[in-house]
Amino acid sequence: SQQGEEDPQALSIQEGENATMNCSYKTSINNLQWYRQNSGRGLVHLILIRSNEREKHSGRLRVTLDTSKKSSSLLITASRAADTASYFCATSGNQFYFGTGTSLTVIP
Amino acid sequence: DAGVIQSPRHEVTEMGQEVTLRCKPISGHDYLFWYRQTMMRGLELLIYFNNNVPIDDSGMPEDRFSAKMPNASFSTLKIQPSEPRDSAVYFCASSRVTGTANTEAFFGQGTRLTVV
Repeated sequence: SQQGEEDPQALSIQEGENATMNCSYKTSINNLQWYRQNSGRGLVHLILIRSNEREKHSGRLRVTLDTSKKSSSLLITASRAADTASYFCATSGNQFYFGTGTSLTVIP
Repeated sequence: DAGVIQSPRHEVTEMGQEVTLRCKPISGHDYLFWYRQTMMRGLELLIYFNNNVPIDDSGMPEDRFSAKMPNASFSTLKIQPSEPRDSAVYFCASSRVTGTANTEAFFGQGTRLTVV
């Protein structure tokens, strides 16, 4: 299976703190994506990093990619209560291979 | 575009009944995916289509599940007969290839199915 795994499974932090989630995958990739899922909703694409990139930023999001370790991390800086959601990494070719997700709770 | 549209949003049915879930992908997208999400199993890919043709249905759990895509703007996922263990949230997603790979999946809001 190419499915990735996120770590930790669950994370609870105070508002204003940074949240870091990790993703490991199994095969070579073209790109890696991170998605967010609010409770009861569909997944929403956050950011994509290509295999030849090592770091990418988008607003309060910072993604790193280490292809030698087959791992990626998502950092959310200055977290807000509204960031409470599940976060998934995904790799893709023709289909998308989603990880198991990290449930983030940001306490106001 | 209104995004991926799924219907119904919620479905409650009795065991043994037929259930049909519907999906309208984003116009211009040539890939369509059906996923199932449960607490126990996470997000599972059931089947996906490319240009209306089923490419990989290895995730379809049993013969009770079937999916069709009669045209580029409509797909259905049917469960007949339904069982309580089919209770889950079913998502449809669509995408298009950019370069050599799909780069972004657009998800619908999902159908929450409860089989009693």
